[in-house]
Amino acid sequence: DTGVSQDPRHKITKRGQNVTFRCDPISEHNRLYWYRQTLGQGPEFLTYFQNEAQLEKSRLLSDRFSAERPKGSFSTLEIQRTEQGDSAMYLCASSLQGPEYFGPGTRLTVT
Amino acid sequence: EDKVVQSPLSLVVHEGDTVTLNCSYEVTNFRSLLWYKQEKKAPTFLFMLTSSGIEKKSGRLSSILDKKELFSILNITATQTGDSAVYLCAVERGGGADGLTFGKGTHLIIQP
Repeated sequence: DTGVSQDPRHKITKRGQNVTFRCDPISEHNRLYWYRQTLGQGPEFLTYFQNEAQLEKSRLLSDRFSAERPKGSFSTLEIQRTEQGDSAMYLCASSLQGPEYFGPGTRLTVT
Repeated sequence: EDKVVQSPLSLVVHEGDTVTLNCSYEVTNFRSLLWYKQEKKAPTFLFMLTSSGIEKKSGRLSSILDKKELFSILNITATQTGDSAVYLCAVERGGGADGLTFGKGTHLIIQP
C-alpha cells in the first residue's frame, strides 16, 4: 500500500494560465475526493467521485474548475484562467467504506 | 449549513503535560466524526467516531464522542515534542456524499 500520491507537489504559475493536477488514490479505494486548503483553515471540500462518476460538487468549484476520473482510478483537477485567489494547497483523498486518507497535496502559487 | 468549531485554536504546553482538544458540531444527518493530525503535509487519520460514549484509544491519544451534546474531545497524555501539529476535527454526513466538513484546527505546540 503506497498511499495516495499527488503530482506535482508544487506548482507556480502566472495568472491566466491553466494548470492540471493529478491524484492516484490507494488502489482498492473506489471513492476519491478533492479539497482545497488555505493557510489557517481546515480543508474545504471541492468534489467527490465514486468510481468514475462525479457525484457531488461544492459551490466553491466555479466553472473554471473541472475534475475527471476517467477509468475510476486516477483523477485530474484542472483550473483554467488561474487567479491569485486560487493559490492554495490542493489535497486529494480516497476511501473505501471508512475514513478518508489524504495525499501530500499540490501547493499552487499563482503570481 | 454544516458547522464544526474547534477550541482552543492554539495551545502551548510543556512536554509531559496532558492536553484536551475540543470539537463541537452541527450537521444534518450526522454519520461520523473524524480526527486528523496535520504537520507540514497532508492530514493523517487518527480516529473515526460513530457511537456516543465509546472511547477510542491509540497509545497516548484517545477520543470520545457525545452525540447528544454534539461534541467530541481528543486527549493526549504525556505529550512529546513530536505531538506538535495542527489537529483537525471533521464531520461526515450520511450517504457518503459532500465529503468532510472540517474545523479550523487546533495548533498545538509542545515545548521541551
